[in-house]
Amino acid sequence: EAGVAQSPRYKIIEKRQSVAFWCNPISGHATLYWYQQILGQGPKLLIQFQNNGVVDDSQLPKDRFSAERLKGVDSTLKIQPAKLEDSAVYLCASSLATGSRETQYFGPGTRLLVL
Amino acid sequence: GENVEQHPSTLSVQEGDSAVIKCTYSDSASNYFPWYKQELGKRPQLIIDIRSNVGEKKDQRIAVTLNKTAKHFSLHITETQPEDSAVYFCAAPDTGGFKTIFGAGTRLFVKA
Repeated sequence: EAGVAQSPRYKIIEKRQSVAFWCNPISGHATLYWYQQILGQGPKLLIQFQNNGVVDDSQLPKDRFSAERLKGVDSTLKIQPAKLEDSAVYLCASSLATGSRETQYFGPGTRLLVL
Repeated sequence: GENVEQHPSTLSVQEGDSAVIKCTYSDSASNYFPWYKQELGKRPQLIIDIRSNVGEKKDQRIAVTLNKTAKHFSLHITETQPEDSAVYFCAAPDTGGFKTIFGAGTRLFVKA
């Protein structure tokens, strides 16, 4: 079974620039998650989709971060403008359904460095 | 629960020894507790999970125990091997039950 795909794997930008990440979940998985993982910390949920609807985005800094999952499959996460503190690994994950009992499968992540 | 605390942050053991990592949670209604392993530069992967209707679950050298009264659960790795070296994350549901809250992680070093 193909896993969660993410691109790019690495990105270096200067502060105030924009960046976008892409995620393709496991086929058939209704729920998609974007996490931010700062070095030395656990993943922090930014946004959770059920199909193309948002289940939770309470920790998404909406003044600069946006995400969409228009057709209920692929998703993009955008940062505009980026700040130094956005340097982190952005992990996408998917699960069959919504609910904390569902096993989440993670992608390889996008490592972002903001200079 | 909304808060998941994980200890220790770093653990170093000799190959063959056991390793124990403990997590506490705040929401007594939490009912599912997964553990993820993240090797350096790789994605987190589920290694074992436990649901609230059992107190212990074992899978070869890995076991997880749950104490609902005390609101803590622990990961036990026996006969550790160098390839067990990684960061381990515990997780628990938030109050609403839809979101997963991760612990800060434990970096395990297994010395050969």
